[in-house]
Amino acid sequence: GAGVSQSPSNKVTEKGKDVELRCDPISGHTALYWYRQSLGQGLEFLIYFQGNSAPDKSGLPSDRFSAERTGGSVSTLTIQRTQQEDSAVYLCASSIGRGVGSYEQYFGPGTRLTVT
Amino acid sequence: AQSVTQLDSQVPVFEEAPVELRCNYSSSVSVYLFWYVQYPNQGLQLLLKYLSGSTLVKGINGFEAEFNKSQTSFHLRKPSVHISDTAEYFCAVSDQLRGDDKIIFGKGTRLHILP
Repeated sequence: GAGVSQSPSNKVTEKGKDVELRCDPISGHTALYWYRQSLGQGLEFLIYFQGNSAPDKSGLPSDRFSAERTGGSVSTLTIQRTQQEDSAVYLCASSIGRGVGSYEQYFGPGTRLTVT
Repeated sequence: AQSVTQLDSQVPVFEEAPVELRCNYSSSVSVYLFWYVQYPNQGLQLLLKYLSGSTLVKGINGFEAEFNKSQTSFHLRKPSVHISDTAEYFCAVSDQLRGDDKIIFGKGTRLHILP
């Protein structure tokens, strides 16, 4: 079946512009995660959605970052007034349920964001 | 806060030689431990995980890892590597007691297989 998809695969933007990154999770997966992968820094948790519960936004680095998940499926990560330090690969993952010990996270291929 | 240390950023290994990728995590009473692999231009894929029980965990592609609570380590091993194992490997930990479903990742180890 189809895996997690992300679009665009690459995005180049000018400093100060807003960008939107999209994630389509696996159908039926109720949990959705966003991570940021910076060069040499590993993966950094950004935000987590689970069903209809309020999202866990504790990993968002600043108020320029926001995310929403419409209809419990597609999610959009928005970065306003982009800065050069926002350049990274943004990864989305989904899982069928809550509980990292019980349900595997499936990762998308990522969106590579470059801020010039 | 929970943290993960991968001591080697890059590991070169000759083909068919054994390899060990090291991982240490900050102490916690109960943790889940994971190894993920990221092949070039692909997303992350779960290699193996430790939840409880036997401390030796076997994963896909011939990899295994051993949970050592006293040393707070979860090193990844393979007895004989292949060129197809060229990838970046991430160790990760989740605190069971927090129950917040957060996975904390290490910075990754890039495995280079030499012919």
